[in-house]
Amino acid sequence: LAKTTQPISMDSYEGQEVNITCSHNNIATNDYITWYQQFPSQGPRFIIQGYKTKVTNEVASLFIPADRKSSTLSLPRVSLSDTAVYYCLVGDNFNKFYFGSGTKLNVKP
Amino acid sequence: GAVVSQHPSWVICKSGTSVKIECRSLDFQATTMFWYRQFPKQSLMLMATSNEGSKATYEQGVEKDKFLINHASLTLSTLTVTSAHPEDSSFYICSASDRGDSYEQYFGPGTRLTVT
Repeated sequence: LAKTTQPISMDSYEGQEVNITCSHNNIATNDYITWYQQFPSQGPRFIIQGYKTKVTNEVASLFIPADRKSSTLSLPRVSLSDTAVYYCLVGDNFNKFYFGSGTKLNVKP
Repeated sequence: GAVVSQHPSWVICKSGTSVKIECRSLDFQATTMFWYRQFPKQSLMLMATSNEGSKATYEQGVEKDKFLINHASLTLSTLTVTSAHPEDSSFYICSASDRGDSYEQYFGPGTRLTVT
């Protein structure tokens, strides 16, 4: 049973910033929040991971409020190649990952 | 970064035959690997947890006698689909963790199985 809830789909245009929010009301103390990107017929690719506050890497930022019941993946200036499904997962590497429906991001020219 | 490979990348087999899919962690040791199945336009569904040196743990509804999992070493897990049927046609993906400081699971590229 997936422990996260995300919008099914989102549309954006090239160059825009995209924010995808994920709800995880029952997140456990030991859980981290991890986001993956998946293109058709490929395995998921790690984007970013965080525990609290804000994390930034070369491709995205992750915002986590103090209660940790939600998180927001921010993709700056998306391009057509960012069209993919984005999954939010909670857990640690000792636990199983149950994938939710993910968010299908469609970037338009 | 850590790399997980799968072999084959795609396979076509006839109904009633068995197919083995390999999952390897190339540059790290993985005591635990996970197997997922993904049907078209659907999310990944966890099938089982593969533990090195012990029996796999299957998710509810997954037939353990049909999907045989062997984790013979710290870098190799195999999934064998026995007596395959067309409804077993799917995209099979494995993942592994090195249990290091990063709470990250590394996913393989997937194996497309088509049963005719």
